[in-house]
Amino acid sequence: DTAVSQTPKYLVTQMGNDKSIKCEQNLGHDTMYWYKQDSKKFLKIMFSYNNKELIINETVPNRFSPKSPDKAHLNLHINSLELGDSAVYFCASSQVAVPQYFGPGTRLTVL
Amino acid sequence: GNSVTQMEGPVTLSEEAFLTINCTYTATGYPSLFWYVQYPGEGLQLLLKATKADDKGSNKGFEATYRKETTSFHLEKGSVQVSDSAVYFCALSLTQGGSEKLVFGKGTKLTVNP
Repeated sequence: DTAVSQTPKYLVTQMGNDKSIKCEQNLGHDTMYWYKQDSKKFLKIMFSYNNKELIINETVPNRFSPKSPDKAHLNLHINSLELGDSAVYFCASSQVAVPQYFGPGTRLTVL
Repeated sequence: GNSVTQMEGPVTLSEEAFLTINCTYTATGYPSLFWYVQYPGEGLQLLLKATKADDKGSNKGFEATYRKETTSFHLEKGSVQVSDSAVYFCALSLTQGGSEKLVFGKGTKLTVNP
């Protein structure tokens, strides 16, 4: 069983569209995250949720909106996609102060 | 600012060789230090950690020692296996605004040949 799963794995879309990425963890962890890996391969935190409550909200455009319907899910919705949003997005979960397990990533390409 | 610098990859070794992946950091406070591993087709997972100077983190035969004097956290393994082929990420965390925030290095790809 995959501990942290994300869908879709690849997402290709046009500028201006709205898209969502889903994340689920089956580890029973309280905390979930979204990270963005840019073209230089650096991973940077976007959001962190603990028990469905927003804990960390980095300087991310408000076009990005996380939603946590329950402790096991943290989805990422992106409005009005821009070319610069192209990246790999990773979901992660943890029961300690830092992420323990990451999902396999979603490669978003905005044309 | 806070940053992590890892040795450029890729690193290619033969099975049973000794592994060192260098990692140095710059931080304004007293960070905790981590190594993450990403196996092919999978997400990153926490490999080991050290929370204060001179601590040694270890897991699965890998070790890293928190060296404050050299601001380093090099990853070592005495005898690598083919199954260790993966990308390794060094990271630091600092408490900011009541939350732990991770800063990652770029990752070092390791390939172990039989």
